[in-house]
Amino acid sequence: DTEVTQTPKHLVMGMTNKKSLKCEQHMGHRAMYWYKQKAKKPPELMFVYSYEKLSINESVPSRFSPECPNSSLLNLHLHALQPEDSALYLCASSQDDSYVGYEQYFGPGTRLTVT
Amino acid sequence: TQLLEQSPQFLSIQEGENLTVYCNSSSVFSSLQWYRQEPGEGPVLLVTVVTGGEVKKLKRLTFQFGDARKDSSLHITAAQPGDTGLYLCAGPSYSGAGSYQLTFGKGTKLSVIP
Repeated sequence: DTEVTQTPKHLVMGMTNKKSLKCEQHMGHRAMYWYKQKAKKPPELMFVYSYEKLSINESVPSRFSPECPNSSLLNLHLHALQPEDSALYLCASSQDDSYVGYEQYFGPGTRLTVT
Repeated sequence: TQLLEQSPQFLSIQEGENLTVYCNSSSVFSSLQWYRQEPGEGPVLLVTVVTGGEVKKLKRLTFQFGDARKDSSLHITAAQPGDTGLYLCAGPSYSGAGSYQLTFGKGTKLSVIP
């Protein structure tokens, strides 16, 4: 089973709202990722968690706040977003973030629209 | 920084035609992965090529890794409308402290017209 699940599928939020995106995997993977993808562009890395610790933050604005409650779950908390944050948000996981375990499996994404 | 360049950027062909898309780098990659992504969905891993010169087949799709591990190609035989999507190549790049992250090419947007 190589499934990564994400909820919700679609989200519309105002600039003053607080919402959360959720991601779950049951493959025993120890690295999890958040990506942002704009139309017709490749995924852009936001955060990496390795063994439940934040290992990479690609200079993402503080209005995005990641959380890894356990090895299977990854959340992305959203607050005071801007319209330009509208995008497809993808979660991915891999065995780990080492030389051997980097192969990533993606979830279906959450389409976020900020109004 | 290791970069991956994909070509062509866009490709529109008739059903039944053959096509090849390319993924090139000036750097050596330990492996390369190919993903296909449909609009509004996440990328789906198609294959990972690891050994220089390796050829892998997945039904009508043939993937090749260059001998020098700097390039890869994806060949589709008798394309079908279901092959339509964004094809992304990606490879692991060292990000420090023993960690690797994926570097993506910009993708090839394929449209197969019935």
